[in-house]
Formats: sequence, structure tokens, C-alpha cells
Amino acid sequence: AAGVIQSPRHLIKEKRETATLKCYPIPRHDTVYWYQQGPGQDPQFLISFYEKMQSDKGSIPDRFSAQQFSDYHSELNMSSLELGDSALYFCASSLQGGVLNTGELFFGEGSRLTVL
Amino acid sequence: AQKVTQAQTEISVVEKEDVTLDCVYETRDTTYYLFWYKQPPSGELVFLIRRNSFDEQNEISGRYSWNFQKSTSSFNFTITASQVVDSAVYFCALSEEWTDKLIFGTGTRLQVFP
Repeated sequence: AAGVIQSPRHLIKEKRETATLKCYPIPRHDTVYWYQQGPGQDPQFLISFYEKMQSDKGSIPDRFSAQQFSDYHSELNMSSLELGDSALYFCASSLQGGVLNTGELFFGEGSRLTVL
Repeated sequence: AQKVTQAQTEISVVEKEDVTLDCVYETRDTTYYLFWYKQPPSGELVFLIRRNSFDEQNEISGRYSWNFQKSTSSFNFTITASQVVDSAVYFCALSEEWTDKLIFGTGTRLQVFP
């Protein structure tokens, strides 16, 4: 079965550069979530979208922005990168409001960002 | 405030041993959801179970079982007859009513040795 696709899987950037991560949800899933997992840390919620509208916001820095497009894929844009942004970024998708409804979030394999 | 505590940072067992991973949560909501996720060395997060606050029935799925006790705010996870492939970091997570974000615990690293 099709899973959540994230690209790129690995990304290396210099400080102050910009990075864009992409997430393609499971077909028919209308909700997308972004999580950030630092080395040895638990995943931290960044932001979520339902039907292309932002539905919830967590600890996302102002330097980051995200959106969900008409085909339901989502992009996380990160600017002025800092060393502390080095992390595994997960995208998850679900159907019809996810956690509150079906209860299942399907995570992608993550995009590992390294900032040098 | 909502919080998930996994006091066990790392557990090591030998194959075929049973192992229980502890999870204690805090929330002011009466409606909430609890989850367990597995993160193998490859890095992806694998959904294991979701339980809502009104369903305290224990659940068994193969070698996995979960014990939800509201009285102690705990949602413990037991693996019976552990296998090397069970080696992973296991996260317990909480979400409250009216929000769709997960609050994760710090995870428990389980190592199963042959």
C-alpha cells in the first residue's frame, strides 16, 4: 500500500541557507502534520493542515513556514537555517481530521536535515 | 498541562523474555487519546495502538498487549516473548480533545539480545 512520501530523505545545508521539505500524503488523506525530532529527542509537533487550511500550530519557529497545496501535498520551508535545526523532520497524514477521528497517523520515513 | 512520562530510558532483555514499557500521562481533559509508536533503527515511526479515555479495556495483539489504567494515569505496553526485531525506541503519546497534535514522551529504547 502507498505510504507517506517525504523528499528529500537527506539534506545538508550551511547556516543561514534555506531548505524546503516536501511531503506527499497517502492518497485520499486530507490532513498533514509536521514533526521535528532532534537527535535523541522525542518528536515535537510543528504544524498541521486540514483541507489546505492550517488546523493547529505547535513550536514552529517564525523562520519556518508551511502550506498544503490543492493536491494535498505539503511543503515545509525553513529559512536562515541554524545549527539547532539539524533534525529528522517527519510528515504524517491521516483521513478526516486524523487523531480526533480515525485515530491513526501514518508517518513518513522522515527527512534528515543537517546544518553545517 | 499535558505531559507524557516514560521513566525508562533504556531496557535490555534477552530474547524470549517478557518486557513492559511504562507510560504515565498528565492531562486535565476528560476526553483524550493515548498512543504507542515504534521507531526502529531505520527511523520511521510505526503506529501500534490508539486508545481513547473512555475505553479502559486492555488490548492484546499477538505478542503485544496494553494495560490502560485511568486511576493511575498509566498506559503500559508489554511485549511477550521478545524478539530481536522488537529492538527499537518506543514512544507513548497523548492527544487531547479539540487538538490533533500528539505530545510524545521521551521514548524508551528497547534492546533485545539473542
